[in-house]
Amino acid sequence: DADVTQTPRNRITKTGKRIMLECSQTKGHDRMYWYRQDPGLGLRLIYYSFDVKDINKGEISDGYSVSRQAQAKFSLSLESAIPNQTALYFCATSASASNNEQFFGPGTRLTVL
Amino acid sequence: GQNIDQPTEMTATEGAIVQINCTYQTSGFNGLFWYQQHAGEAPTFLSYNVLDGLEEKGRFSSFLSRSKGYSYLLLKELQMKDSASYLCAVKDDSWGKFQFGAGTQVVVTP
Repeated sequence: DADVTQTPRNRITKTGKRIMLECSQTKGHDRMYWYRQDPGLGLRLIYYSFDVKDINKGEISDGYSVSRQAQAKFSLSLESAIPNQTALYFCATSASASNNEQFFGPGTRLTVL
Repeated sequence: GQNIDQPTEMTATEGAIVQINCTYQTSGFNGLFWYQQHAGEAPTFLSYNVLDGLEEKGRFSSFLSRSKGYSYLLLKELQMKDSASYLCAVKDDSWGKFQFGAGTQVVVTP
């Protein structure tokens, strides 16, 4: 079984719709992240959470919100989707130690028409 | 500001060696990571450097110079399956979050 899972894997929606992307992990990590990836721009951080009571904005948080429902779950919401939010979205987790890498989910491909 | 630079694309022949350079300017530093990402898939961890010097792991090696804000990933004995994007990422010790470069697409030709 995958350690970091994301649902849905693909989603097509229309402008103005509310969308939620979900992420679950079984690695027992405290830290969870949401990124979006666009061609030529690499991974950009949307939000991150270091524990259940901690939520922090990343470099591109406008138009997004998150919820850390439990240590294992971190969801990303687009309150009113717009076409320039079309991208590949990745959830990632890491342990607290400084030398611990991030583990990524399989990604959600979101298209906003 | 924060900046991580790496070349956009590199092409090399099967069996050859390729070196991917990464330069960074970040507000904090708590390690530099290299990830491999095949098209449409999740990034996977390759290597980690926090002290100056070379880390070797099989066909892949990574080098760090903190004073120069510079790292490279060396891929030896290239195989077709090494065709992928390689991402350089710096862990910012202020917040424990990562800054990623845009990635270097490596194309391995027969």
